[in-house]
Amino acid sequence: GAGVSQTPSNKVTEKGKYVELRCDPISGHTALYWYRQSLGQGPEFLIYFQGTGAADDSGLPNDRFFAVRPEGSVSTLKIQRTERGDSAVYLCASSSTRAGRDTQYFGPGTRLTVL
Amino acid sequence: AQSVSQHNHHVILSEAASLELGCNYSYGGTVNLFWYVQYPGQHLQLLLKYFSGDPLVKGIKGFEAEFIKSKFSFNLRKPSVQWSDTAEYFCAVKAGSYQLTFGKGTKLSVIP
Repeated sequence: GAGVSQTPSNKVTEKGKYVELRCDPISGHTALYWYRQSLGQGPEFLIYFQGTGAADDSGLPNDRFFAVRPEGSVSTLKIQRTERGDSAVYLCASSSTRAGRDTQYFGPGTRLTVL
Repeated sequence: AQSVSQHNHHVILSEAASLELGCNYSYGGTVNLFWYVQYPGQHLQLLLKYFSGDPLVKGIKGFEAEFIKSKFSFNLRKPSVQWSDTAEYFCAVKAGSYQLTFGKGTKLSVIP
C-alpha cells in the first residue's frame, strides 16, 4: 500500500476487556514499531520488530501488553484486561532499515478509549 | 536514557511572521534528528531529518533546521509562516538504537 494503515481507527471498550489493534506496514519494510501517544505528550516507544521477531519490547508497560508479527508483515498489538490508563492513541510505524539511514513512517493511529 | 525538550507548548503567529521552534536533546553520542508534523486530523508526517553532513537541513514546505552539536539543539525555522502551517510539531531523536524519543510537541497556530 501507499502508507502504513491501522485498524480500527477508533476503539471503545470497557475496563477489563481484551482488545487487538492491527498495523499493516508499508510494503517491503522489514522494521515495524509501535508507539503510544497520551494526551499532551509525544509518542512513546513500545516495541520494535525486525522481521517476525520482537527485537526490543522494553517499552511495553507491563505483561498485559503483547504484540506479534507472525509473517513479518502485519502486526497486532494485544492488550489484556484493559485499564482506563490504557486510553491513548496507538501508533504504528515502519521503516526499511537501510543501515543507519532509516526513516520511520507513521500510520494514522488507533484511538483507544477504555471506559 | 535520552530525552527531548521542546521549549514552547503553544506558539501563536500571524501569517508572514518568522518561526523558530526550539528542540534540545540529552545524549552525548551520535544522533539522528527528526522533525515530524501533525496537521489537524492527519497523521504524523516527516518534515525533515538529519543524519550527518551539513548541519543545516532543508525540508518540505520551506522548513529548515540547524543541528548545533555543542548546544545539543535542533531548532526548526521557517522565514514566513502560512495559515496552512497550523499544526503540531514534534522533535525526535534516534540515539544508538532504533527507537525514536519524542518531545512533547509544540502547537503552532497561524492567524490569517
